Amino acid sequence: ETGVTQSPTHLIKTRGQQVTLRCSSQSGHNTVSWYQQALGQGPQFIFQYYREEENGRGNFPPRFSGLQFPNYSSELNVNALELDDSALYLCASSLGVGVENYGYTFGSGTRLTVV
Amino acid sequence: AQSVTQLDSHVSVSEGTPVLLRCNYSSSYSPSLFWYVQHPNKGLQLLLKYTSAATLVKGINGFEAEFKKSETSFHLTKPSAHMSDAAEYFCVVAHSGAGSYQLTFGKGTKLSVIP
Repeated sequence: ETGVTQSPTHLIKTRGQQVTLRCSSQSGHNTVSWYQQALGQGPQFIFQYYREEENGRGNFPPRFSGLQFPNYSSELNVNALELDDSALYLCASSLGVGVENYGYTFGSGTRLTVV
Repeated sequence: AQSVTQLDSHVSVSEGTPVLLRCNYSSSYSPSLFWYVQHPNKGLQLLLKYTSAATLVKGINGFEAEFKKSETSFHLTKPSAHMSDAAEYFCVVAHSGAGSYQLTFGKGTKLSVIP
């Protein structure tokens, strides 16, 4: 059983560019959540996908968007990058939506630097 | 709204001495609370969770936490620190909204263990 895999591990982009981050969920998991962790802060919820549909979103602007594919892998897309988007982006997968019952498995994250 | 406050940004202990990481929560109903650990360049790992069962929760690696409703606290303890415990620790509250489950993280406590 493999865990959650995120790619790439590190990325440097220029302000105004677009970026796509990828997450392969743990085998059998149908729910993916994305979190942004700025330096020195706790992770913040971006959005959650359940069976290919977005079913919840945190306080992030529309230029943060996502997709979940039939194999339950997921992408996070960020348009018009800003310097404040520099952060560690974490993906978590779970068997279902409720963290109390199913538990989340986190990937090691993608470190995005915007210059 | 749900939130957590980690009272110490940095805790330093000697190897073999007790560990206490403090967390207060705010929740409009009975919360689900978690402690996660993050080692450098690693994903988040669940240490333990409280979901309205026993108030004293035992986790992995000898950690435990006690849910105290009267004090709105969920402090993490370990009787004897090990060098491998040096990491960032996050207190987390889970809540649901519009079909999704979100984790709200504290800002983290960095634990240093002195040989």
